[in-house]
Amino acid sequence: EPEVTQTPSHQVTQMGQEVILRCVPISNHLYFYWYRQILGQKVEFLVSFYNNEISEKSEIFDDQFSVERPDGSNFTLKIRSTKLEDSAMYFCASSEIPLGQPNQPQHFGDGTRLSIL
Amino acid sequence: ILNVEQSPQSLHVQEGDSTNFTCSFPSSNFYALHWYRWETAKSPEALFVMTLNGDEKKKGRISATLNTKEGYSYLYIKGSQPEDSATYLCAFLAGGKLIFGQGTELSVKP
Repeated sequence: EPEVTQTPSHQVTQMGQEVILRCVPISNHLYFYWYRQILGQKVEFLVSFYNNEISEKSEIFDDQFSVERPDGSNFTLKIRSTKLEDSAMYFCASSEIPLGQPNQPQHFGDGTRLSIL
Repeated sequence: ILNVEQSPQSLHVQEGDSTNFTCSFPSSNFYALHWYRWETAKSPEALFVMTLNGDEKKKGRISATLNTKEGYSYLYIKGSQPEDSATYLCAFLAGGKLIFGQGTELSVKP
């Protein structure tokens, strides 16, 4: 069964550095998402992406964050000038059609654990 | 601020017990409710996407109901097995974004 893959599984970075988290969505999916879960807190929506544009973003997704689909297969999340509070599990997801259609869920990757030191 | 609440936060049952837990969400502007099963160190796995009031969906021993007028959904597991141990997340679709509950952590003892 096709799956969403994320790399790396764990990223350790010094505060102030830039990180790029990578995701390969399922090949026929058109809608892409990033979420994060800070330890002990709820999973939070960051951004959705369709047709090479951001569709929705949360208040968390400020100028420090950006997303890109550089080559038609990868979907990346870049975090500039990382802060301690960016430490979290970051999940990528994809879907074939927009959310909300019956029997059309998102498919999640295994996540990247980001640790900022 | 839209809020999704799940209860209980954790649940410990014996193998063979049936169990259920609740997801509460805003009752206005309903569009869809998602349920996911999330095992430790794995990706969340989609169980159901529910869109209509009164919906009832089933997948093996797991079923879910939806009441959009009062803003709740129940997830039922019949005859729990140790492999059902996981965190069960619900998420409410609002304006193109999923708002997640905090999850119910289920532990099934053999």
